[in-house]
Amino acid sequence: AQSVTQLDSQVPVFEEAPVELRCNYSSSVSVYLFWYVQYPNQGLQLLLKYLSGSTLVKGINGFEAEFNKSQTSFHLRKPSVHISDTAEYFCAVSQTSTPNDMRFGAGTRLTVKP
Amino acid sequence: DAGVTQSPTHLIKTRGQQVTLRCSPKSGHDTVSWYQQALGQGPQFIFQYYEEEERQRGNFPDRFSGHQFPNYSSELNVNALLLGDSALYLCASTIGGHTGELFFGEGSRLTVL
Repeated sequence: AQSVTQLDSQVPVFEEAPVELRCNYSSSVSVYLFWYVQYPNQGLQLLLKYLSGSTLVKGINGFEAEFNKSQTSFHLRKPSVHISDTAEYFCAVSQTSTPNDMRFGAGTRLTVKP
Repeated sequence: DAGVTQSPTHLIKTRGQQVTLRCSPKSGHDTVSWYQQALGQGPQFIFQYYEEEERQRGNFPDRFSGHQFPNYSSELNVNALLLGDSALYLCASTIGGHTGELFFGEGSRLTVL
């Protein structure tokens, strides 16, 4: 089965600084990749997804991610963060044969400081 | 357009009891997945229902069971509760066979004492 490793459990950054949240996946077959955000006491909201085509994917709130098949990575980036970006971020993967069987990483807590 | 709704939002049970959690999918969605999210962890896949049948299952014991109704709503049942079952239980819906986005509810927080 597919799996995801998020390399950083916590990432503190200052407001307006760039940020990268790292994600590596493992799968023996083709995959779809996702980033979700979870604000306190809420469910998960999709930030962006890679299904096929361009390896650079743009999402909501100024986030983007790049699919790197050779390195089996799907890192999330934002050039300038805001206080409101403080949240938990989850990388997720599904196999193309079972697209709705989504497996999540342990999460990265992004804290944006003033 | 209502999104995914879950009930109850919070509940407290004691060890050995049984619990039922409910989920109504987003309008137009026919596939429901259940996830368990322990504190500080990512969501863990429990199972997925489509056309009233369990289609896929994660690594959870048989104490965890579910049901999907003809209107696509779903229930998650957990028997013989353990302290370790304390978690946020998330329901997600999508359209069967479509790729990509799962729409999540806000979850049911279960505390087992």
